[in-house]
Amino acid sequence: KAGVTQTPRYLIKTRGQQVTLSCSPISGHRSVSWYQQTPGQGLQFLFEYFSETQRNKGNFPGRFSGRQFSNSRSEMNVSTLELGDSALYLCASSQGQWGTDTQYFGPGTRLTVL
Amino acid sequence: DQQVKQNSPSLSVQEGRISILNCDYTNSMFDYFLWYKKYPAEGPTFLISISSIKDKNEDGRFTVFLNKSAKHLSLHIVPSQPGDSAVYFCAASAGVNGGSQGNLIFGKGTKLSVKP
Repeated sequence: KAGVTQTPRYLIKTRGQQVTLSCSPISGHRSVSWYQQTPGQGLQFLFEYFSETQRNKGNFPGRFSGRQFSNSRSEMNVSTLELGDSALYLCASSQGQWGTDTQYFGPGTRLTVL
Repeated sequence: DQQVKQNSPSLSVQEGRISILNCDYTNSMFDYFLWYKKYPAEGPTFLISISSIKDKNEDGRFTVFLNKSAKHLSLHIVPSQPGDSAVYFCAASAGVNGGSQGNLIFGKGTKLSVKP
């Protein structure tokens, strides 16, 4: 099976712009979670989507949003970019079962905000 | 407040010896624990997991031990190989118990260096 894919791999934007990142999960996986990784804060949960519905959300401002399509592909949007949004954005897919549900990660999108 | 802590930022081990990476947690609602390995500029790679109903899980050279009373888990790698050099993350999930599906809480990571 193909793994989780993320596009683009690298992105450079300027403050105030918006950005959309894309994630394609492993075939058959219905859950997609998004994480932000920074040197200072480590890996932090943004949100999780299952069957096109947001099931869970982390502590990020409303500028961070996402959606999931009927084929389980997911997009994440960040509006009004700030310098502090520079990070590695990771998506992970899983079957979405309750309980012991293992997440598999994509390679990430490196976002740099200038 | 960090719910998952990896108190050793780095660990250096000789090839062929055992590597032991430790992780402590504070949330008693966590019921599933995972270890991931990460190289720079790549996503984390799943290694091994353990459910809270078990105290040990093995997969080849990797063994995870869970001590629920101490809220502590450890990853043992035997024997260690130079290719194991990477950052290892411990993660925990409260899942259905904590109403936190899809949300993994990660430690800050331990950088393992295995010297030939």
